[in-house]
This record gives sequence, C-alpha cells and structure tokens, in this order.
Amino acid sequence: AQTVTQSQPEMSVQEAETVTLSCTYDTSESNYYLFWYKQPPSRQMILVIRQEAYKQQNATENRFSVNFQKAAKSFSLKISDSQLGDTAMYFCAFIRPQGGSEKLVFGKGTKLTVNP
Amino acid sequence: GAGVSQSPSNKVTEKGKDVELRCDPISGHTALYWYRQSLGQGLEFLIYFQGNSAPDKSGLPSDRFSAERTGGSVSTLTIQRTQQEDSAVYLCASSLEPGAGIFGQGTRLTVV
Repeated sequence: AQTVTQSQPEMSVQEAETVTLSCTYDTSESNYYLFWYKQPPSRQMILVIRQEAYKQQNATENRFSVNFQKAAKSFSLKISDSQLGDTAMYFCAFIRPQGGSEKLVFGKGTKLTVNP
Repeated sequence: GAGVSQSPSNKVTEKGKDVELRCDPISGHTALYWYRQSLGQGLEFLIYFQGNSAPDKSGLPSDRFSAERTGGSVSTLTIQRTQQEDSAVYLCASSLEPGAGIFGQGTRLTVV
C-alpha cells in the first residue's frame, strides 16, 4: 500500500520569507502523480500544485514550486515570498492510476502559519 | 454549478440516527470521490464513482456506510445508526482526470 509522510506537523514563517514543507512517499510504482493541497479554515481543499512522476522538470505555480526527487521518493513544497493568506494546512497527496480507481492517499498535513 | 456543492454544511445528530450527506459535483465531471477527515487527521478515502462503472467502495469503514450517485451527477452518502466515532468532516470532490479533484467545502458531522 502507498503511504505519504509529512514529518512537520507545524511550521511558521515570517511574511515575505521562504518556507519549505517536506513530504516523502512509499511506492513501488513508476507511474503516479503527486499533489500539494491547501486547506484554509474554510475547510475547502484547494489544489496548489501537481507533478507527474514521468516528468523530470519540477512543477511551478507562481510562488509555489516543488523539489521532486523520484529516486529518494521526496516531494517538497517551497513557498516563496510568503503571504498571510498562505496560512493553512498543507497536505501532500499521491495517486496511482489503477485501472479506473484513482484515489488520493494523503499525508497527515503540515499546519503553516505566516506571521506578520 | 461553478463549484462542488455539499449540504448540509453542518449536521448534529443523535447517536443511532441515520444521516444523509449530499454532494453536487461540477457539471460534466465524471469522477466523484468521498473522503472523511477526522479531527487533526489527513483525508481518508471512502468511495469513488467513475461514470457508469461499478463504484470503488474499498474505503467504506463499515456496512453502516453507503453511497449512491444518481444519473451520474448528484451523490448521497448515507450513514446508518451513527456512532460518535463517525464525527468528522466529510468532503466530496469531482474531477475530469486522476486526482486533480475540485473539492467542496465539506459537511461537518457531529454525533452526540
């Protein structure tokens, strides 16, 4: 079974600084997708960034970028120029397409606080 | 609609009662997922619908849980004889492609 581990239950960062959230996963598959989701107090899960395992290039979305190390099974999220609105829970997630039943496996999350 | 809509937003029920949670996915999305998020935890997969295929029910924790998706659109998650350990946020997501789900705001269920 696939597992996703987020080793940092809580982190904090000063506004405008950079922070990196860690994620490791365990799989024997070669074809899969990785995601970072943000969950603010409103509860709604918001997709931040997505990475296909077959792509060597790290995904970026504005201030958000990932460091995808396939051999090490590591998928960290870097947030640059942190903003107060980035305060939220962040979840790393894995999906392995398996013949029509693609379900996300989530880590337990990292609570990020951006301080003014 | 523009997003995934879930109702009710909050539900308080007495232990032993049945509850129904509703999810209206984004129009045209063929995949629909239900997840459960217990306090301080990540999301736990419950059930997955894809088009007209048989649903993947492998995440349902007990036979008290069931879900339907009528006409490939609206889905209802039913919990029978609720227990206190069923208290959680129930999240629904729909998507066109693997994993890139658009989530609703969830239903917070409290069993007292």
